[in-house]
Parts: sequence; structure tokens; C-alpha cells
Amino acid sequence: QVQLQQWGPGLLKPSETLSLTCAAYDGSFSGYFWSWIRQPPGKGLEWIGEITHSGGTNYNPSLKSRVTISVDTSKNQFSLKLSFVTAADTAVYYCARGRKGFYGNWFDPWGQGTLVTVSS
Amino acid sequence: EIVLTQSPGTLSLSPGERATLSCRASQSVPSSYLAWYQQKPGQAPRLLIYGASSRASGIPDRFGGRGSGTDFTLTISRLEPEDFAVYYCQQYGISMGTFGQGTKVEIK
Repeated sequence: QVQLQQWGPGLLKPSETLSLTCAAYDGSFSGYFWSWIRQPPGKGLEWIGEITHSGGTNYNPSLKSRVTISVDTSKNQFSLKLSFVTAADTAVYYCARGRKGFYGNWFDPWGQGTLVTVSS
Repeated sequence: EIVLTQSPGTLSLSPGERATLSCRASQSVPSSYLAWYQQKPGQAPRLLIYGASSRASGIPDRFGGRGSGTDFTLTISRLEPEDFAVYYCQQYGISMGTFGQGTKVEIK
């Protein structure tokens, strides 16, 4: 069963670039939509964007100008970059495997989450 | 963008009671796009229901989903102590995903 493990810096200053990476272990990498989702402290979930193994991307329009998601199929990894961060970007960031198909569209599994704090 | 509105914001119930959670979409959503998640403090969300009504692997049958169009419901038939958590609905379409703001099910 696939497991996702994510990593990246937990503290950033305003205007810096957030950079996180997620690795998928013990499962197929193709045929899925590798996604990033975030959750500000005490708040709900926000979908950031997704990438396929071939590099096709979709982004949340509210973040599109600052987001880049990339993929490294040789390592079964995908990465998130969010530029010009502010305090409003402070959140737990999750990676997740998205599935879209006949039976439905959903996110499962999820990574363990990384708390990213933006503070001067 | 499709907005999902969950109600109520908080549901105060006792173990053994039935919980009914609502998720309303701002426009019609294909049932296949609709899923429900459970989240406990300090944990990642856990998939409960996909395709509006299908239980994910390992999910007890006390969890049930139904609905179509703009109105979807998650029902927990008899609350167990481990069911007190926050629940989110999600619609995940061809190029975009959105979540409801969540319903907290707390012990009365």
C-alpha cells in the first residue's frame, strides 16, 4: 500500500519561497493526481494544486500566480514551491494522492503534514 | 469555483446517538466528485466515503453517505467514542478541488 512521506523547512520569512517535497513509496506513480493541500491553524482544508506523472498540472486559481508543482518520476517524488509567502500562508501542508475515475474522485492516502510558519 | 457549505458547524451528541451532517454545493456536483473525510487533532484527514455513497476500505458500516446534485449527507448511525472529530466534504473535479469548512462532532 502506497505511503507518502513529506519534508521541507518549517520556518520562513515573509517574501521567501516555500519548498516542500513528497515521496511515494510502495505503489504505482502513474495514473494518479499528486496533490498539495493546506490547512491554516484551526481552519479548514484548501486544495493547492496537482500534477500527474507526465507533468500535467492544475492549480487553485487563488494561488496560481505563486505556485509551481513539479514531479521527478525517477524518484517517485513531487514538489511544491510557493513564492512570496506571507503570514497568511502559515499552515500545515499535506501531500496526497488524488484519484479520478469511474468510481469517484478522492484523496487517499495523505502525507503526515508539515507545519510551515511564516514569521519575521 | 464550486463552494461547499457544511452544516451544522458543530454537532453536540452523546455516544450511541445518530449524527447527520449536511454538505450543500453552490452548483450541481456529479456524485462521483463528492467525498467525505474525518480528521482528528494532529492527524491528516482520513477518507471515509467516495462517490457520495461508497465506503472506503476499512470504514465501519455505521458510516453512510447519500445525496445528489447540490445536497449530500453523511450519517453516522450510532456514534462511537472514536467518531468524535471534524468531518469535511470535498468535491474534486476535472481541474479543481474544494472542501467544505467542516462540521465538528463533539461529545455532549
